Amino acid sequence: GQQVMQIPQYQHVQEGEDFTTYCNSSTTLSNIQWYKQRPGGHPVFLIQLVKSGEVKKQKRLTFQFGEAKKNSSLHITATQTTDVGTYFCLSSKAAGNKLTFGGGTRVLVKP
Amino acid sequence: DAGVTQSPTHLIKTRGQQVTLRCSPKSGHDTVSWYQQALGQGPQFIFQYYEEEERQRGNFPDRFSGHQFPNYSSELNVNALLLGDSALYLCASSLLSIKSSPLHFGNGTRLTVT
Repeated sequence: GQQVMQIPQYQHVQEGEDFTTYCNSSTTLSNIQWYKQRPGGHPVFLIQLVKSGEVKKQKRLTFQFGEAKKNSSLHITATQTTDVGTYFCLSSKAAGNKLTFGGGTRVLVKP
Repeated sequence: DAGVTQSPTHLIKTRGQQVTLRCSPKSGHDTVSWYQQALGQGPQFIFQYYEEEERQRGNFPDRFSGHQFPNYSSELNVNALLLGDSALYLCASSLLSIKSSPLHFGNGTRLTVT
């Protein structure tokens, strides 16, 4: 079955520093979405990437889709306490449409 | 414009019992998906409903069943509850006509099985 691995599982970041979370698949993906879930909340859609090599930015967040469409990354610059939460990738396999969440990266920010 | 609503918010059941969770999708959405999220884990796909039929299913036993009504709302039923069924159950709605339509999640139902 489709495997979507997300690393790291946990990320402790000093406020103001940058960090990156990665989502890796064993199969080619048709697209990838990123979600953020605040503690005690529900996942909220951030962005979708569709094209090979695509890069999208949302303020301090930069999302990238790999050239082979098997991996993606989310990079946050100048981390703030509002960035606390778990970031999930959600992928759809190129053949078929079953959606699979990665295990998430739990981000804690040290002030 | 109401978002996705789920009920109840919390539920405590005993092993062996049955439970029904309810979801109303975001206005304008026609597809409902259900996810199970254990503590500290990513959401696991249970199944998806469109046009009142189950269109896709994840790796969940037949104890998990669902239904979608003509107004697009949906129910998730779990029979013969096990302790391991304790989790947050999330409902997400989307629009099937838009390829890879983003999922809009409800606040979830926290199920505890004792």
